[in-house]
Amino acid sequence: DGGITQSPKYLFRKEGQNVTLSCEQNLNHDAMYWYRQDPGQGLRLIYYSQIVNDFQKGDIAEGYSVSREKKESFPLTVTSAQKNPTAFYLCASSKDRVTYNEQFFGPGTRLTVL
Amino acid sequence: QQQVKQSPQSLIVQKGGISIINCAYENTAFDYFPWYQQFPGKGPALLIAIRPDVSEKKEGRFTISFNKSAKQFSLHIMDSQPGDSATYFCAATRASNTGKLIFGQGTTLQVKP
Repeated sequence: DGGITQSPKYLFRKEGQNVTLSCEQNLNHDAMYWYRQDPGQGLRLIYYSQIVNDFQKGDIAEGYSVSREKKESFPLTVTSAQKNPTAFYLCASSKDRVTYNEQFFGPGTRLTVL
Repeated sequence: QQQVKQSPQSLIVQKGGISIINCAYENTAFDYFPWYQQFPGKGPALLIAIRPDVSEKKEGRFTISFNKSAKQFSLHIMDSQPGDSATYFCAATRASNTGKLIFGQGTTLQVKP
């Protein structure tokens, strides 16, 4: 089955710790994205990548880092510098430059900072 | 200029009724307007999208109406069903953009049986 997988589904972290969220896709999509979702708010873009070894900051990149070493993988690290990291994190992908805006989402990872 | 404002925040509709969700945008450069449906604990799924060269697009029970002069677009769900109960997000972007969607705040729809 083609799709986007995110792991883990739930993640708990102590304050001051870095944590990495996994995102893998087997859709052969060029572009991948990370969004953050908070209650009562829409999705906000953290980082995005259109090609391997290249990525750009979105609207709320502070306190986060990413890498794109493989086409199918786009892990997100939430660092201790992120002041309010508790949220639902969504990874998405889109096929190519013609269809960048047609984004397919993974099931999400709910991060809770204790 | 980058905001997309969505209303209402929540909506309760009887089974068989029409659900209407509205969005307004400011950036006149936006030319692609998708709607996403999200069930609890799941990622959003693309439902339907429209470009400003048409005023309406219909897919099954779902219709997008677009008013370019008012910079508004709306989602109509005809014959609403309990299975339609979900959170709906509108979004906007430039079709030539890098996939940077600007999302509305979301509307939680409950369809009562």
